[in-house]
Parts: sequence; C-alpha cells; structure tokens
Amino acid sequence: SAVISQKPSRDICQRGTSLTIQCQVDSQVTMMFWYRQQPGQSLTLIATANQGSEATYESGFVIDKFPISRPNLTFSTLTVSNMSPEDSSIYLCSVDTGSVSYNEQFFGPGTRLTVL
Amino acid sequence: LAKTTQPISMDSYEGQEVNITCSHNNIATNDYITWYQQFPSQGPRFIIQGYKTKVTNEVASLFIPADRKSSTLSLPRVSLSDTAVYYCLVVASGSARQLTFGSGTQLTVLP
Repeated sequence: SAVISQKPSRDICQRGTSLTIQCQVDSQVTMMFWYRQQPGQSLTLIATANQGSEATYESGFVIDKFPISRPNLTFSTLTVSNMSPEDSSIYLCSVDTGSVSYNEQFFGPGTRLTVL
Repeated sequence: LAKTTQPISMDSYEGQEVNITCSHNNIATNDYITWYQQFPSQGPRFIIQGYKTKVTNEVASLFIPADRKSSTLSLPRVSLSDTAVYYCLVVASGSARQLTFGSGTQLTVLP
C-alpha cells in the first residue's frame, strides 16, 4: 500500500493567478497520476507524471495550463496556471505501486480549489 | 478502453445485500474489471478486481459471467457507512496503468 498526502487541502484563489499542489508519497513508486474531479462529477485523468522526463498529458489538457514536476520517486507537483472559475475542482494525485497482478492505485485526499 | 455503464443511483437499507451491475460490452481479452469506492471529500479507494468467475475479499464479492460483458459488485449486509459512490472500471493489464472513471453509482444506505 501507499500513504499519500497533498498540500494544500483546499484553497481559494483569484482569477488569473496560479496554484501549485504538492503530492508526497511515503514510499518510492513508479507511476504517479493527476486527476481532476469537478463538482458532482467523476474523475478525469489530467496526466501521468514521469520521473525524470516530461509528463504525459491526456486529451484536453496541456502543459502550459497544468505544468507538472516529478523530481523523484516520492514527490510530484501540479500547477494550475492562469486560473479561471472553470478550474474550480478537486485535484487528486494517485500512485500505482506496480503490482504485477493488480492495477490498484492509491489516491491522495485531494485539493479542493475554488477560483473566484 | 471499454466503456462502462452502471446505474446512476441506488438506495438500500441497513443489513441488506446490495448488488451493483456494470455493463462493459467491449471489454478486451487482457482487460480486468476493477471497482473503486469514493466517500465524500476523499479520494477513491480500491475495493476489488477480477478477470472472470467470482472473486471475494473481506469487503465485497465480484461476479463476472463467462462472456465478461458485465460484472456485479456485491456488498453483503450494508451499513450506513457504505454510503458512497462506486465506480466500475475496465483496466488493461500491462504497463499503461491509466484509470478511466465512468459516472459511478451513488449508493445511499438508509436506516
């Protein structure tokens, strides 16, 4: 298993500003992911955070808007840039511990972002 | 990735068995069926995964028919604390590892 913490747990930001969300894991993991969950909706994968290389973004998400860092095997950051009210969501990071037989991911508690 | 279809919501009473069915008609040979549970203000939590027939753990059972085009998550004797959103996912084995979440089923357990 893996224990994941995220900072901040919530924030209220002004339009046009940027926020960086941190994700810390208690063990080294191969794969880390960032998801967005808009109010009352399901989760949408933003990108896979690759250690030592650029993140791999899903359709509809771009690096300029959501830059991601992954400096080591236990830490990643997601920045939400030039925010607008439409970016108000919960942002979650998850990790895959790489078990051969299970595609089990462990999720952080999420960061609740409100953009005014 | 195979698309999944599951009921938007279900109500049950404490102590009852709850069965949530998920359709995944386009499931591929190397896909697994995985269920996650999400409580309000928390990230999703893995419940169970299976490939075919029946899988049981301390939390739930997963029934998968031979054609694998559907699956049923069974929660025995639910309590109020089982109120959550339950997601059915079809996950490809191998190195990709990305999860695609559908709309989920909001289960409400009533006293």
